[in-house]
Amino acid sequence: DGGITQSPKYLFRKEGQNVTLSCEQNLNHDAMYWYRQDPGQGLRLIYYSQIVNDFQKGDIAEGYSVSREKKESFPLTVTSAQKNPTAFYLCATSRTGGNSPLHFGNGTRLTVT
Amino acid sequence: GQQVMQIPQYQHVQEGEDFTTYCNSSTTLSNIQWYKQRPGGHPVFLIQLVKSGEVKKQKRLTFQFGEAKKNSSLHITATQTTDVGTYFCAETYGQNFVFGPGTRLSVLP
Repeated sequence: DGGITQSPKYLFRKEGQNVTLSCEQNLNHDAMYWYRQDPGQGLRLIYYSQIVNDFQKGDIAEGYSVSREKKESFPLTVTSAQKNPTAFYLCATSRTGGNSPLHFGNGTRLTVT
Repeated sequence: GQQVMQIPQYQHVQEGEDFTTYCNSSTTLSNIQWYKQRPGGHPVFLIQLVKSGEVKKQKRLTFQFGEAKKNSSLHITATQTTDVGTYFCAETYGQNFVFGPGTRLSVLP
């Protein structure tokens, strides 16, 4: 979606390094999400935030951290504690209430060697 | 936690053939959303089903929600190469989304 920017598209890191993935949105959506997708797999929720300065762990939060200091931004840090960080990371947003759909960014493909 | 299953995992069809993917849950689903992800792309929202027995159509795509709200299906009539991708269903409840594992569709020209 044009209103969600994830950068960079491809990211390479050495094992043991922390890396931060950017997600910025101009859709004025309150809720933001981070999903991880492995090859041929579905989407697994890492963290989500429904409001500024608040966020909740998803199903696979271990080894990841987030912050939500601004409504527009929800960066994800992949720490060295994450055992298998190589994956496709998708940021998404939605309006709150009424089961509004998710709008996804283009994703960041992280490779850790 | 809640789980949503999808079958089949993969489907290869000849262009012009029909395709159906099924989404199932052991519990009653509040709402169902369907997404399509093209190869190398990101998921894109297709439709939401809310009511028991609901049927919605988008051109060659037909979406159904089961009477008991425990299953849903997506049917594509006369597939085209542009239909290639992975189709996900997702249960939604409030601000939470539980995705199925997806069905990957290949269309042979």
